[in-house]
Amino acid sequence: EDQVTQSPEALRLQEGESSSLNCSYTVSGLRGLFWYRQDPGKGPEFLFTLYSAGEEKEKERLKATLTKKESFLHITAPKPEDSATYLCAVLRQAGTALIFGKGTTLSVSS
Amino acid sequence: GAVVSQHPSRVICKSGTSVKIECRSLDFQATTMFWYRQFPKQSLMLMATSNEGSKATYEQGVEKDKFLINHASLTLSTLTVTSAHPEDSSFYICSAGGDTDTQYFGPGTRLTVL
Repeated sequence: EDQVTQSPEALRLQEGESSSLNCSYTVSGLRGLFWYRQDPGKGPEFLFTLYSAGEEKEKERLKATLTKKESFLHITAPKPEDSATYLCAVLRQAGTALIFGKGTTLSVSS
Repeated sequence: GAVVSQHPSRVICKSGTSVKIECRSLDFQATTMFWYRQFPKQSLMLMATSNEGSKATYEQGVEKDKFLINHASLTLSTLTVTSAHPEDSSFYICSAGGDTDTQYFGPGTRLTVL
């Protein structure tokens, strides 16, 4: 069964304290892996798409990496405005629907 | 970037009434649109997938007669919750996909049924 597991469920960081969020997946033929950010009461905001193992993408303080079994979202020197829930989702080769993990809720305090 | 809008952002209705939610892709043509439901502190649950001009494909357990989806154009999809009841209260989010695999999400609609 296709499955996406994110860890930890919640993460509290001090401003400037770098860390990583994990997304492990089992899927029958990965077409792509997606990272989204969701603020309370809002729809998910697209961050990254990764297609193949070894691929990396960066945007400001965020860097996403992909292996054959998992993806990491690295947050370097986070700021309070990075506080949000980060969602990971996979797309199968034979499909159009995203399979979402339950998310990691990040809180960054100053 | 690709922009998806939803209207209304919030709606409160009485039990038994129907509510229509619109989802628009503002700067791209959406060949496929998706409707999700999200309960508090939970992830997104896919309700249905719709392609322009075709009938929607509903996920298992989603009542197609209750949640009517229309995708009449490449920029507009609508979700109508018919005969809404308090248990239908939730956060409804649409997403749209174009030429790439990436789905872009709308801001969501908070439905409260009294």
